[in-house]
Amino acid sequence: NAGVTQTPKFQVLKTGQSMTLQCAQDMNHEYMSWYRQDPGMGLRLIHYSVGAGITDQGEVPNGYNVSRSTTEDFPLRLLSAAPSQTSVYFCASSYGAGALGYTFGSGTRLTVV
Amino acid sequence: GNSVTQMEGPVTLSEEAFLTINCTYTATGYPSLFWYVQYPGEGLQLLLKATKADDKGSNKGFEATYRKETTSFHLEKGSVQVSDSAVYFCALSDLPNTGNQFYFGTGTSLTVIP
Repeated sequence: NAGVTQTPKFQVLKTGQSMTLQCAQDMNHEYMSWYRQDPGMGLRLIHYSVGAGITDQGEVPNGYNVSRSTTEDFPLRLLSAAPSQTSVYFCASSYGAGALGYTFGSGTRLTVV
Repeated sequence: GNSVTQMEGPVTLSEEAFLTINCTYTATGYPSLFWYVQYPGEGLQLLLKATKADDKGSNKGFEATYRKETTSFHLEKGSVQVSDSAVYFCALSDLPNTGNQFYFGTGTSLTVIP
C-alpha cells in the first residue's frame, strides 16, 4: 500500500548511543518532515525537507541530523542519544502546497535509558 | 506567529452523545485548517480540512467550520460511537508565510463509553 513507512517501530537506546530512524514514502511527495510527540505538547517539528538535497531546521532540531539524497527517503539521525529524546517520532510527507495535508507514518517509539 | 490552541482533555462521552472539541488559532496570514485523528498505536490521519473562511470540512460524520471572525475551527459530531475513541489534533498551515510547516495543537483525547 502506498504511504509513509517508518522503521523501527520500537527502539531502546543507551545514553550516548547513535541511531538512524528510517522514513520512506512512495507517493512522490516533495515535502517530508520529522515530528516528535510528547505528552501535553502535541507535535513539534524537528527537521523538514522541501525536496531532494534541501533540508532545514524546525522548532526542536538540536541533537538530530537529517539528509535527503532521494525523493523517497528522509532518515533522522540521533547523534548521541539523551533521555530527553525519549519520545514518539513521526515522519510525514505532503505533495507541494500545505493545503493538501500530510500523510503520516505509524511512528517510532524511542526510549533512551 | 502561528499557533493552535485546543480544549484540554480528556473528554469522556456516552455513545450517541454530541461532541464538540474547541480549537482556536493565531496566524499571520490566511491559513488552511485541519483536524487529524490518532487511534491508539497509530500515526495521525487527516480527518477533514478547510482552506478558506466559511468553508466547512466534513468526514465520517464529523464537521468543522472555518470561522475567521472568531479564529476558530471547532470539531463537532452529532452522535459519537465507541469507535471514535481517539486523540484529535487541530492544525494549521500558512503556506504563503511559513511554507509547508504545520502547527499542531496539543491534542484532545476522546473516550466514548457504551
